[in-house]
Amino acid sequence: DTAVSQTPKYLVTQMGNDKSIKCEQNLGHDTMYWYKQDSKKFLKIMFSYNNKELIINETVPNRFSPKSPDKAHLNLHINSLELGDSAVYFCASGQGADHEQYFGPGTRLTVT
Amino acid sequence: QKEVEQDPGPLSVPEGAIVSLNCTYSNSAFQYFMWYRQYSRKGPELLMYTYSSGNKEDGRFTAQVDKSSKYISLFIRDSQPSDSATYLCAMWDYKLTFGKGTLLTVNP
Repeated sequence: DTAVSQTPKYLVTQMGNDKSIKCEQNLGHDTMYWYKQDSKKFLKIMFSYNNKELIINETVPNRFSPKSPDKAHLNLHINSLELGDSAVYFCASGQGADHEQYFGPGTRLTVT
Repeated sequence: QKEVEQDPGPLSVPEGAIVSLNCTYSNSAFQYFMWYRQYSRKGPELLMYTYSSGNKEDGRFTAQVDKSSKYISLFIRDSQPSDSATYLCAMWDYKLTFGKGTLLTVNP
Protein backbone atom coordinates (compact mmCIF):
# COMPACT_ATOMS: atom_id res chain seq x y z
CA ASP A 1 0.00 0.00 0.00
CA THR A 2 2.48 2.60 -1.19
CA ALA A 3 1.28 6.10 -0.36
CA VAL A 4 3.46 7.99 -2.86
CA SER A 5 4.99 5.99 -5.67
CA GLN A 6 7.37 6.97 -8.44
CA THR A 7 8.51 5.30 -11.62
CA PRO A 8 11.12 4.55 -12.65
CA LYS A 9 13.33 4.06 -9.60
CA TYR A 10 16.51 4.40 -11.65
CA LEU A 11 17.04 6.22 -14.92
CA VAL A 12 20.32 6.27 -16.81
CA THR A 13 20.40 8.27 -20.02
CA GLN A 14 22.66 10.30 -22.25
CA MET A 15 22.98 14.05 -22.53
CA GLY A 16 20.48 15.59 -24.87
CA ASN A 17 17.79 12.97 -24.36
CA ASP A 18 14.26 13.64 -23.10
CA LYS A 19 12.87 11.64 -20.18
CA SER A 20 9.84 11.51 -17.92
CA ILE A 21 9.30 10.53 -14.32
CA LYS A 22 5.86 9.60 -13.06
CA CYS A 23 4.39 10.07 -9.59
CA GLU A 24 1.14 8.87 -8.06
CA GLN A 25 -0.28 9.33 -4.59
CA ASN A 26 -3.17 7.45 -3.00
CA LEU A 27 -3.46 9.63 0.09
CA GLY A 28 -6.22 11.81 -1.32
CA HIS A 29 -4.02 14.90 -0.97
CA ASP A 30 -4.67 18.04 -2.99
CA THR A 31 -1.08 19.18 -3.40
CA MET A 32 1.87 17.45 -5.01
CA TYR A 33 5.50 18.47 -5.29
CA TRP A 34 8.72 17.74 -7.09
CA TYR A 35 12.01 18.05 -5.22
CA LYS A 36 15.60 17.62 -6.37
CA GLN A 37 18.27 16.17 -4.06
CA ASP A 38 21.78 16.77 -5.29
CA SER A 39 24.91 14.72 -4.66
CA LYS A 40 25.48 16.54 -1.36
CA LYS A 41 22.01 15.48 -0.19
CA PHE A 42 20.62 19.01 -0.38
CA LEU A 43 16.87 18.76 -0.98
CA LYS A 44 15.22 21.64 -2.77
CA ILE A 45 11.71 22.22 -4.01
CA MET A 46 11.18 22.55 -7.77
CA PHE A 47 7.41 22.69 -8.29
CA SER A 48 4.14 22.32 -6.48
CA TYR A 49 0.68 21.70 -7.89
CA ASN A 50 -2.62 22.12 -6.08
CA ASN A 51 -5.59 20.45 -7.74
CA LYS A 52 -3.77 20.40 -11.08
CA GLU A 53 -2.82 24.08 -10.85
CA LEU A 54 0.84 25.16 -10.70
CA ILE A 55 1.45 26.97 -7.40
CA ILE A 56 5.21 27.06 -6.99
CA ASN A 57 7.88 27.19 -9.69
CA GLU A 58 11.26 27.69 -8.09
CA THR A 59 13.24 29.17 -11.00
CA VAL A 60 13.75 25.78 -12.55
CA PRO A 61 15.05 25.75 -16.17
CA ASN A 62 12.18 25.52 -18.61
CA ARG A 63 13.60 22.22 -19.82
CA PHE A 64 11.69 20.84 -16.83
CA SER A 65 7.95 20.69 -17.33
CA PRO A 66 5.61 19.25 -14.74
CA LYS A 67 2.23 17.94 -15.79
CA SER A 68 -0.67 17.03 -13.54
CA PRO A 69 -3.43 15.09 -15.32
CA ASP A 70 -5.39 14.83 -12.07
CA LYS A 71 -4.76 15.55 -8.42
CA ALA A 72 -3.40 12.07 -7.76
CA HIS A 73 -0.70 12.27 -10.43
CA LEU A 74 2.18 14.61 -11.10
CA ASN A 75 4.68 13.80 -13.82
CA LEU A 76 7.97 15.49 -14.58
CA HIS A 77 9.26 15.74 -18.13
CA ILE A 78 12.82 16.82 -18.75
CA ASN A 79 14.03 17.91 -22.19
CA SER A 80 17.60 18.03 -23.45
CA LEU A 81 19.10 16.43 -20.37
CA GLU A 82 22.38 17.86 -19.05
CA LEU A 83 25.06 16.36 -16.81
CA GLY A 84 23.99 18.71 -14.01
CA ASP A 85 20.52 17.18 -14.01
CA SER A 86 21.96 14.04 -12.40
CA ALA A 87 20.31 13.84 -8.98
CA VAL A 88 17.59 12.07 -7.07
CA TYR A 89 14.14 13.46 -7.81
CA PHE A 90 11.48 13.08 -5.13
CA CYS A 91 7.77 13.46 -5.49
CA ALA A 92 5.79 14.43 -2.38
CA SER A 93 2.19 15.13 -1.49
CA GLY A 94 0.46 17.14 1.20
CA GLN A 95 -2.92 18.32 2.38
CA GLY A 96 -4.20 21.46 4.02
CA ALA A 97 -1.43 23.76 5.13
CA ASP A 98 1.06 21.56 3.30
CA HIS A 99 3.72 21.65 5.96
CA GLU A 100 3.16 17.91 6.39
CA GLN A 101 4.51 16.37 3.24
CA TYR A 102 4.95 12.71 2.41
CA PHE A 103 7.69 11.71 0.07
CA GLY A 104 8.00 8.99 -2.52
CA PRO A 105 11.01 6.67 -2.75
CA GLY A 106 12.82 8.82 -5.30
CA THR A 107 14.05 8.43 -8.88
CA ARG A 108 17.80 8.35 -9.26
CA LEU A 109 18.63 10.04 -12.56
CA THR A 110 22.11 9.66 -14.02
CA VAL A 111 23.00 11.61 -17.15
CA THR A 112 26.13 10.43 -18.96
CA GLN B 1 23.61 33.57 4.82
CA LYS B 2 21.60 30.46 3.95
CA GLU B 3 18.02 30.40 5.16
CA VAL B 4 18.54 27.15 7.06
CA GLU B 5 21.87 26.00 8.45
CA GLN B 6 22.49 22.47 9.66
CA ASP B 7 25.75 20.87 10.67
CA PRO B 8 26.22 17.98 8.23
CA GLY B 9 28.23 15.92 10.70
CA PRO B 10 28.84 13.04 10.42
CA LEU B 11 27.87 12.20 13.97
CA SER B 12 28.78 8.82 15.44
CA VAL B 13 27.51 7.73 18.87
CA PRO B 14 27.32 4.49 20.86
CA GLU B 15 24.00 2.75 21.30
CA GLY B 16 22.02 4.21 24.19
CA ALA B 17 23.49 7.70 23.87
CA ILE B 18 21.44 10.87 23.79
CA VAL B 19 21.74 12.55 20.41
CA SER B 20 21.26 16.25 19.81
CA LEU B 21 20.70 17.58 16.29
CA ASN B 22 20.36 21.28 15.60
CA CYS B 23 19.44 23.82 12.97
CA THR B 24 19.46 27.58 12.84
CA TYR B 25 17.48 29.75 10.48
CA SER B 26 17.26 33.35 9.38
CA ASN B 27 13.74 33.67 7.95
CA SER B 28 11.31 34.98 10.57
CA ALA B 29 8.37 33.99 8.33
CA PHE B 30 8.88 30.28 9.04
CA GLN B 31 5.85 28.99 10.90
CA TYR B 32 6.27 25.22 11.06
CA PHE B 33 9.41 23.33 11.94
CA MET B 34 9.85 19.74 10.84
CA TRP B 35 12.29 16.91 11.27
CA TYR B 36 12.61 14.28 8.58
CA ARG B 37 14.59 11.06 8.72
CA GLN B 38 16.09 9.67 5.54
CA TYR B 39 17.57 6.21 5.34
CA SER B 40 20.13 5.53 2.66
CA ARG B 41 18.55 5.42 -0.80
CA LYS B 42 15.06 6.07 0.56
CA GLY B 43 12.71 9.03 0.60
CA PRO B 44 12.56 11.42 3.59
CA GLU B 45 10.10 10.35 6.26
CA LEU B 46 8.36 12.94 8.45
CA LEU B 47 9.27 12.32 12.09
CA MET B 48 7.55 15.21 13.79
CA TYR B 49 6.72 18.87 13.49
CA THR B 50 6.11 21.79 15.80
CA TYR B 51 4.32 25.06 15.28
CA SER B 52 5.39 27.31 18.11
CA SER B 53 8.31 27.70 20.46
CA GLY B 54 8.55 24.97 23.06
CA ASN B 55 8.98 21.22 23.21
CA LYS B 56 7.13 18.36 21.60
CA GLU B 57 7.75 14.78 22.57
CA ASP B 58 7.05 11.57 20.66
CA GLY B 59 8.47 8.45 22.24
CA ARG B 60 12.25 8.71 22.28
CA PHE B 61 12.19 11.87 20.17
CA THR B 62 11.85 15.44 21.43
CA ALA B 63 11.66 18.45 19.13
CA GLN B 64 12.47 21.85 20.54
CA VAL B 65 11.92 25.25 18.93
CA ASP B 66 13.25 28.58 20.14
CA LYS B 67 11.88 31.22 17.82
CA SER B 68 13.59 34.08 19.65
CA SER B 69 16.98 32.51 18.88
CA LYS B 70 15.88 31.04 15.54
CA TYR B 71 17.13 27.66 16.68
CA ILE B 72 15.56 24.22 16.58
CA SER B 73 16.73 20.91 17.99
CA LEU B 74 15.88 17.24 17.85
CA PHE B 75 16.86 15.03 20.76
CA ILE B 76 16.93 11.26 20.49
CA ARG B 77 17.04 9.38 23.78
CA ASP B 78 18.35 5.83 24.13
CA SER B 79 19.55 5.88 20.54
CA GLN B 80 19.38 2.60 18.61
CA PRO B 81 21.32 1.33 15.59
CA SER B 82 18.04 1.60 13.66
CA ASP B 83 18.20 5.38 14.21
CA SER B 84 21.23 5.51 11.90
CA ALA B 85 20.13 7.77 9.06
CA THR B 86 20.37 11.32 7.76
CA TYR B 87 18.21 13.75 9.73
CA LEU B 88 16.90 16.75 7.84
CA CYS B 89 15.40 19.78 9.48
CA ALA B 90 12.83 21.61 7.38
CA MET B 91 10.92 24.83 7.84
CA TRP B 92 7.73 26.04 6.24
CA ASP B 93 6.43 29.47 5.31
CA TYR B 94 4.65 28.78 2.04
CA LYS B 95 7.09 26.02 1.01
CA LEU B 96 9.47 23.64 2.75
CA THR B 97 13.08 24.75 3.03
CA PHE B 98 15.45 22.02 4.13
CA GLY B 99 18.75 22.00 5.94
CA LYS B 100 21.53 19.97 4.38
CA GLY B 101 20.99 17.05 6.78
CA THR B 102 23.10 15.46 9.51
CA LEU B 103 24.35 11.92 8.98
CA LEU B 104 23.96 9.97 12.23
CA THR B 105 25.47 6.56 12.94
CA VAL B 106 24.56 4.72 16.13
CA ASN B 107 27.08 1.97 16.85
CA PRO B 108 25.96 -1.21 18.63
